[in-house]
Amino acid sequence: DAGVTQSPTHLIKTRGQQVTLRCSPKSGHDTVSWYQQALGQGPQFIFQYYEEEERQRGNFPDRFSGHQYPNYSSELNVNALLLGDSALYLCASSLKQTGETQYFGPGTRLLVL
Amino acid sequence: AQSVTQLGSHVSVSEGALVLLRCNYSSSVPPYLFWYVQYPNQGLQLLLKYTSAATLVKGINGFEAEFKKSETSFHLTKPSAHMSDAAEYFCAVSDLPGGYNKLIFGAGTRLAVHP
Repeated sequence: DAGVTQSPTHLIKTRGQQVTLRCSPKSGHDTVSWYQQALGQGPQFIFQYYEEEERQRGNFPDRFSGHQYPNYSSELNVNALLLGDSALYLCASSLKQTGETQYFGPGTRLLVL
Repeated sequence: AQSVTQLGSHVSVSEGALVLLRCNYSSSVPPYLFWYVQYPNQGLQLLLKYTSAATLVKGINGFEAEFKKSETSFHLTKPSAHMSDAAEYFCAVSDLPGGYNKLIFGAGTRLAVHP
């Protein structure tokens, strides 16, 4: 049973560019949440997708946007990258119906130069 | 608003010694509490969770945590540390069981285990 997968594993961008990160949820899961983990800090909630809609959002600017596809996979897009966007981006999946605990993927490490 | 405070960003213990990682939470509603572990260059793995059943929660790898409402604490313990326990540990709180809602994480505690 495949767990949560994320791609790419590492990414280097320059300021002002745009980036797309991808996540495939654990088999059977329908809800995807995204978190940003800056170096030396705990993860911070960005947003959550369920039924292809953004259901909740944390304190992140509109430069951060997402999408969920009918197969429950999800994308995180960040526009106009800033140096401060350098972080590990974690995707977590869960099954809405059961309220089961979120399972995390290995993350995508983004470096903005 | 909910928040989590983890006391001690770094904890160092000897192999075989007691592990105690401290977590205090703030929540205006009955909280759901979680401990996650993160090994280098990996994502987060759930160690254990408190969801209003027993106050003493047993998790994987010999870890356990006790929910103390009067102290707003959820400290993580392990009787005997192993070298493989060296990792970063995060305490998290949610106002829903965890699948529905966002998790609010503490800043983390890095555990070092020396021979």
